[in-house]
Amino acid sequence: GQNIDQPTEMTATEGAIVQINCTYQTSGFNGLFWYQQHAGEAPTFLSYNVLDGLEEKGRFSSFLSRSKGYSYLLLKELQMKDSASYLCAVIDSNYQLIWGAGTKLIIKP
Amino acid sequence: ETGVTQTPRHLVMGMTNKKSLKCEQHLGHNAMYWYKQSAKKPLELMFVYNFKEQTENNSVPSRFSPECPNSSHLFLHLHTLQPEDSALYLCASSQEGLAGPYEQYFGPGTRLTVT
Repeated sequence: GQNIDQPTEMTATEGAIVQINCTYQTSGFNGLFWYQQHAGEAPTFLSYNVLDGLEEKGRFSSFLSRSKGYSYLLLKELQMKDSASYLCAVIDSNYQLIWGAGTKLIIKP
Repeated sequence: ETGVTQTPRHLVMGMTNKKSLKCEQHLGHNAMYWYKQSAKKPLELMFVYNFKEQTENNSVPSRFSPECPNSSHLFLHLHTLQPEDSALYLCASSQEGLAGPYEQYFGPGTRLTVT
């Protein structure tokens, strides 16, 4: 079967750095998305990785290792508004989007 | 209006009611999706429409009936639902191409409670 694993919940301190991991076992791979979802709101696109390596976008970076079936989202200089759920999703060989259950990130002052 | 809009935002219905959820996208995309989101579970893809044609139906019970009259509008008709159907229903759109799916843009969702 196809599976995406993310930690259920993480806690971090304002101003700090946090890394949210995502591991996947899918039938093929055609890219990986990270989305942010604030409570009661729609998921919004953060990043897309299809090649190995690090993609940096402001305070957020996303890393991919296809050989390890692994990605992480790195958030720097955490702000209270970063409290949200972070969803990992993989495009499989049939171009279907497989979603993880999401990681709830709690930021404390 | 911009982006993807959904109405209503909240809906409470009895198991014998019939109601419809509406989604509209203002992004010129060619694909639209219905998802079900339950607490602490992955997003469940229900239906996909590409150029108004349904291309996915992931074993969704017949009490959910989608309708896509054009590439900008998507409906989800509900009838004789069960309490376990209570969830957040999200609509999304994207621009599909030869290279596969691009990022999806989501609406704010409809919080459905079945009593």
